[in-house]
Amino acid sequence: GESVGLHLPTLSVQEGDNSIINCAYSNSASDYFIWYKQESGKGPQFIIDIRSNMDKRQGQRVTVLLNKTVKHLSLQIAATQPGDSAVYFCAESRIKAAGNKLTFGGGTRVLVKP
Amino acid sequence: DTEVTQTPKHLVMGMTNKKSLKCEQHMGHRAMYWYKQKAKKPPELMFVYSYEKLSINESVPSRFSPECPNSSLLNLHLHALQPEDSALYLCASSHFGQHYGYTFGSGTRLTVV
Repeated sequence: GESVGLHLPTLSVQEGDNSIINCAYSNSASDYFIWYKQESGKGPQFIIDIRSNMDKRQGQRVTVLLNKTVKHLSLQIAATQPGDSAVYFCAESRIKAAGNKLTFGGGTRVLVKP
Repeated sequence: DTEVTQTPKHLVMGMTNKKSLKCEQHMGHRAMYWYKQKAKKPPELMFVYSYEKLSINESVPSRFSPECPNSSLLNLHLHALQPEDSALYLCASSHFGQHYGYTFGSGTRLTVV
């Protein structure tokens, strides 16, 4: 079936270090992935996305890597800051005839230590 | 306007009450969504509306009744809920048939007593 999951529930990182958050998926037909950041009391906020025909995409301080061979993607945050403390979700977007379907993975909490 | 607005932010209701959650967007998005999020869990899709018609129902109990009165508004009517229905209810919207541009509201924190 379709599923998107994460390896680590909590990541503690020193301020200024790089963070790496991992995500596994099971459906080789998955076409489009999105990383979200969710702060306490807020809805998920878009960080970066990647289509399956790419293996890397960079944004401001963030990079997403996609390895289709092992069905794995990761989010790298450079020079992690206190404001990066949040829960991070990977999500898969599928376009069906009935409509769009966005499915979330399990989430990783990132705690930034000063 | 690039926001999804949800009201109320917090709601406490009894198991015999009827209440409604509201969601509004003015981005011209023709796909709108309801998600349920329990503590320390990812959001779980409940319903998808495409062009104001219910297109996906993820086997949600009938005590949750969605409604899309127009292209900007999405409601979730609640009746005879159980304490285990307590959660954060998130509304989102996007362009129909496009992968990008999903926008989430801040949610309604629902407590059923």
